[in-house]
Amino acid sequence: AQSVTQPDIHITVSEGASLELRCNYSYGATPYLFWYVQSPGQGLQLLLKYFSGDTLVQGIKGFEAEFKRSQSSFNLRKPSVHWSDAAEYFCAVGGSGTYKYIFGTGTRLKVLA
Amino acid sequence: EAQVTQNPRYLITVTGKKLTVTCSQNMNHEYMSWYRQDPGLGLRQIYYSMNVEVTDKGDVPEGYKVSRKEKRNFPLILESPSPNQTSLYFCASREASSGSFQPQHFGDGTRLSIL
Repeated sequence: AQSVTQPDIHITVSEGASLELRCNYSYGATPYLFWYVQSPGQGLQLLLKYFSGDTLVQGIKGFEAEFKRSQSSFNLRKPSVHWSDAAEYFCAVGGSGTYKYIFGTGTRLKVLA
Repeated sequence: EAQVTQNPRYLITVTGKKLTVTCSQNMNHEYMSWYRQDPGLGLRQIYYSMNVEVTDKGDVPEGYKVSRKEKRNFPLILESPSPNQTSLYFCASREASSGSFQPQHFGDGTRLSIL
């Protein structure tokens, strides 16, 4: 079955520290992978996407993600977190020939000053 | 400005009173979708539409209806709302180009409380 797992419900980091949010997927075909961020009271904003090619993708706000097919993972990283990065982050997967996205359950990031 | 607009943003209503949440996009996108977001469950798809007059069920369609009479609009209808439909709802749209899977644009959400 197709699924997306974000194993960390909450993560707390200090401002300036590095960040890695985990995402594992199960998908039968070639996946299209996305990370979205949701700030309080707002909709979801696309951070980055992976379709094909270079497995390290750069996104907005200094985020990057690496696609590892062998591990079925698409982890999100940022070298130095800012207080404004506090939000909820969602990993999602879709695929050619299907019209559905599958979202993970989200990881809520708290940033300590 | 490219955007997906939902209305209302907040609604408190009572069980059984029909309601409609509107969604409109100005990007000429073929694909539109409705999600509900609940704590610990992430976003779950309710219905989606590939184009005008083409709709299909998502993962949690029970208790909801949709229509797609115009390309830009995709209203979500709760004919007889119940408390278990209290949730945060998002509308989204994207291009439906073949050969790729485009990212979605999301509205700001509608928080529904059914008493």
